[in-house]
Amino acid sequence: GESVGLHLPTLSVQEGDNSIINCAYSNSASDYFIWYKQESGKGPQFIIDIRSNMDKRQGQRVTVLLNKTVKHLSLQIAATQPGDSAVYFCAENQAGTALIFGKGTTLSVSS
Amino acid sequence: DTAVSQTPKYLVTQMGNDKSIKCEQNLGHDTMYWYKQDSKKFLKIMFSYNNKELIINETVPNRFSPKSPDKAHLNLHINSLELGDSAVYFCASQRGQGSGYTFGSGTRLTVV
Repeated sequence: GESVGLHLPTLSVQEGDNSIINCAYSNSASDYFIWYKQESGKGPQFIIDIRSNMDKRQGQRVTVLLNKTVKHLSLQIAATQPGDSAVYFCAENQAGTALIFGKGTTLSVSS
Repeated sequence: DTAVSQTPKYLVTQMGNDKSIKCEQNLGHDTMYWYKQDSKKFLKIMFSYNNKELIINETVPNRFSPKSPDKAHLNLHINSLELGDSAVYFCASQRGQGSGYTFGSGTRLTVV
C-alpha cells in the first residue's frame, strides 16, 4: 500500500542551529499533511499542518514546506533547543482515510 | 484535564490471556482511532470509529475487537494474547475531516 517515508532515521544538531527534517510521500491524492513530535514515553503531539493548496506554512519557530511536484514535505525548526529532542513523524491522508505515518526521524540536540 | 486518556499505561500479561485497554476523550470529537506502535516506532492504524460506528478496520487479527459505548469512549479488547501483540497502543480523537488528531499517552502492552 501507499506510505509516507522519511529520508533519515536520525539527525543530530547543535543547540541554536536550524534543523530540517524531510519526508517523502507517495500518495498523490493526499491533501492534508501533519508533523507530529513524540517525546519518550508520550503520545505524538501535533506541531503543524498544511493542506495541499498551500506550499508553505509557518508557526512559532517551525515552518512546513510542501512540494507536490516531487511529493516532498519538510519541517524546519529554527534555533533548535534541547527540548526539541524527540522523534518527528510526518503523516498524510486524503478525505475519508486515516492518517498514515512515516517511519520517524529522531532529532538529537546537543548543548 | 487530560484530553485523551488511556488506561492502563502499562500492561504486562501472559500469552493466551484476554485484556482490555480503555480510552476516553473529553474534547467532544466525533471520531476516534486506535494505532499500534511497534518497537521501531512505526505507527499503524488499526481501527476508526465515528460517532460509535466502525468506519475503518485495517487488516488486524479478529482477536482484536474495538467497542465504542458512546462517542467519547473507544475501548480495545484483545483475546488470546500473543507475543507479537507486544507494542504501544495509542488512542486518538479527531474533531472532523481535515483536522489533526489528539493522541493519548499510550498503553505499553508486554506479553510474556
